[in-house]
Amino acid sequence: GQNIDQPTEMTATEGAIVQINCTYQTSGFNGLFWYQQHAGEAPTFLSYNVLDGLEEKGRFSSFLSRSKGYSYLLLKELQMKDSASYLCAALDSNYQLIWGAGTKLIIKP
Amino acid sequence: GAVVSQHPSWVICKSGTSVKIECRSLDFQATTMFWYRQFPKQSLMLMATSNEGSKATYEQGVEKDKFLINHASLTLSTLTVTSAHPEDSSFYICSAVLLAGGPNEQYFGPGTRLTVT
Repeated sequence: GQNIDQPTEMTATEGAIVQINCTYQTSGFNGLFWYQQHAGEAPTFLSYNVLDGLEEKGRFSSFLSRSKGYSYLLLKELQMKDSASYLCAALDSNYQLIWGAGTKLIIKP
Repeated sequence: GAVVSQHPSWVICKSGTSVKIECRSLDFQATTMFWYRQFPKQSLMLMATSNEGSKATYEQGVEKDKFLINHASLTLSTLTVTSAHPEDSSFYICSAVLLAGGPNEQYFGPGTRLTVT
């Protein structure tokens, strides 16, 4: 079956760095997304990886290893506004998004 | 950037009534729109895929006679929850795929919070 695994909750300190991991098993693979979702709001797009390696975008970076079925989202210089859920989603061979349950990130001062 | 709107942003209705939710792509044409439902503290669950000019494709377990989807144009899709019940109370989110865009060109609406009393 198709499955996405990511930690349920993580806590980090303002100004620090945090890495949120995601492993996936899908029927075929056409890329991996990371979304940020604040409570009560719709998700907002953060990144899309389809090739192996690290993509950096400001304070956020996303990494993909297709051979390992693994991705991570790296957040640097954490700010209080980064407190949110981070959703990992993989695109399968039918271009359907398979969603993880999300990682709730709590930032402490 | 591409903007997707939803209307209403929140709605309260009585059990047994029907509610229509609109999803519009404001500045681009979308061949495909997706409808999701999200219960508290859970991830998004895809309900259906809506393609302009054709019937929607529903995910397993989603009643197509209860959740009516119409994708009348390249900028508008509607979801009607018929004979709503309290268990239908949820956060409904649509997303639109940019015409001729890549798989990463998916934009989400702000969501509609439905409460059925």
